[in-house]
Amino acid sequence: NAGVTQTPKFQVLKTGQSMTLQCAQDMNHEYMSWYRQDPGMGLRLIHYSVGAGITDQGEVPNGYNVSRSTTEDFPLRLLSAAPSQTSVYFCASRDGPNTGELFFGEGSRLTVL
Amino acid sequence: AQSVAQPEDQVNVAEGNPLTVKCTYSVSGNPYLFWYVQYPNRGLQFLLKYITGDNLVKGSYGFEAEFNKSQTSFHLKKPSALVSDSALYFCAVRPYYGGSQGNLIFGKGTKLSVKP
Repeated sequence: NAGVTQTPKFQVLKTGQSMTLQCAQDMNHEYMSWYRQDPGMGLRLIHYSVGAGITDQGEVPNGYNVSRSTTEDFPLRLLSAAPSQTSVYFCASRDGPNTGELFFGEGSRLTVL
Repeated sequence: AQSVAQPEDQVNVAEGNPLTVKCTYSVSGNPYLFWYVQYPNRGLQFLLKYITGDNLVKGSYGFEAEFNKSQTSFHLKKPSALVSDSALYFCAVRPYYGGSQGNLIFGKGTKLSVKP
């Protein structure tokens, strides 16, 4: 059981480049989300999805796009990378009930030069 | 504004001593409360949660947490710390919005260091 899988684990971009962080889960979870982790700031929610075809913005959505075409996959797109997007990104999923805990991927460390 | 506070950036404990990692929150309604642990270069792992019922909840690795509604706190505790407990700990709260729960709000994290 792989859980939540994120790729790539590391990426270096130049300012203005675009890229996609991939996230896949094999637990048939309806809810998926993306967080960014910055030193001293905890985790901040970027975007989330409550099911295929449904996405919504979190606390810090600017500069990021998401889509949810299948239950399993929830990619995060950076359209034009900026140094302020240098961070560690985590994808997380949970089962339907709001009482459920989140399952996290191992993270993707992104550096924008 | 809804928020979660972890007042200590770092907690230092000697192995074998009890430990407490503090968490207070300011959210509406009856929130759900969680603790997660993050080891270096890893994702977050779920430790325990409070939904309803007994104010003392037990979780993984011998950790427990006490919910105090009047003080809006959810402190993480362990009777006897291990060196392997050294990690980054996050408190998280899921607010209640008029009949439905919102997304998780995380504290900034507390680094726990357990020395032999």
